[in-house]
Amino acid sequence: QKEVEQDPGPLSVPEGAIVSLNCTYSNSAFQYFMWYRQYSRKGPELLMYTYSSGNKEDGRFTAQVDKSSKYISLFIRDSQPSDSATYLCAMSGGGGNKLTFGTGTQLKVEL
Amino acid sequence: NAGVTQTPKFQVLKTGQSMTLQCAQDMNHNSMYWYRQDPGMGLRLIYYSASEGTTDKGEVPNGYNVSRLNKREFSLRLESAAPSQTSVYFCASSVSLAADTQYFGPGTRLTVL
Repeated sequence: QKEVEQDPGPLSVPEGAIVSLNCTYSNSAFQYFMWYRQYSRKGPELLMYTYSSGNKEDGRFTAQVDKSSKYISLFIRDSQPSDSATYLCAMSGGGGNKLTFGTGTQLKVEL
Repeated sequence: NAGVTQTPKFQVLKTGQSMTLQCAQDMNHNSMYWYRQDPGMGLRLIYYSASEGTTDKGEVPNGYNVSRLNKREFSLRLESAAPSQTSVYFCASSVSLAADTQYFGPGTRLTVL
């Protein structure tokens, strides 16, 4: 079993929809959680960064962490075609521990 | 401000050939990383360098070597390429190992025939 599980998709939604992307993990030591966005044939870019449990909002994006369930989510409101990309979750225990990445969920927002 | 740059963007090798992938960052970061990305496998850490002068193995180091040339540059070498090394290679950097935010380069697409 992988330490971080992420549904690969693809997930196809109409423009304007609310998108929910999720990851589950097994390592209870993880306390730093990130979401990266990766456009086709590009490198991943950091989208959201959260520490421990709770919510963090940045514009149309909300990151949610539930450590008790070992479950993290990224919500995208009013999705746009420009949001079409692969979204990777990543997490670590901090203190120099390496990042562990999910395999990514491919999202397509259609006009 | 270029961030993390990688060369070359594309490369095709024959089995047994060698090559070096170059990476440079201009953010004055201490730590640098090499990943490979394969379908269904996600990003896997090959080697990393916590600071100038140090390198350590990651999850999948076999068949690779690295050099931290200076604070800016971190190269990845394939001594004898194998078809299993066909992948997209990403270099990343961060302020330190403890700083979990990593910044990625655009990647090198490598095909080994």
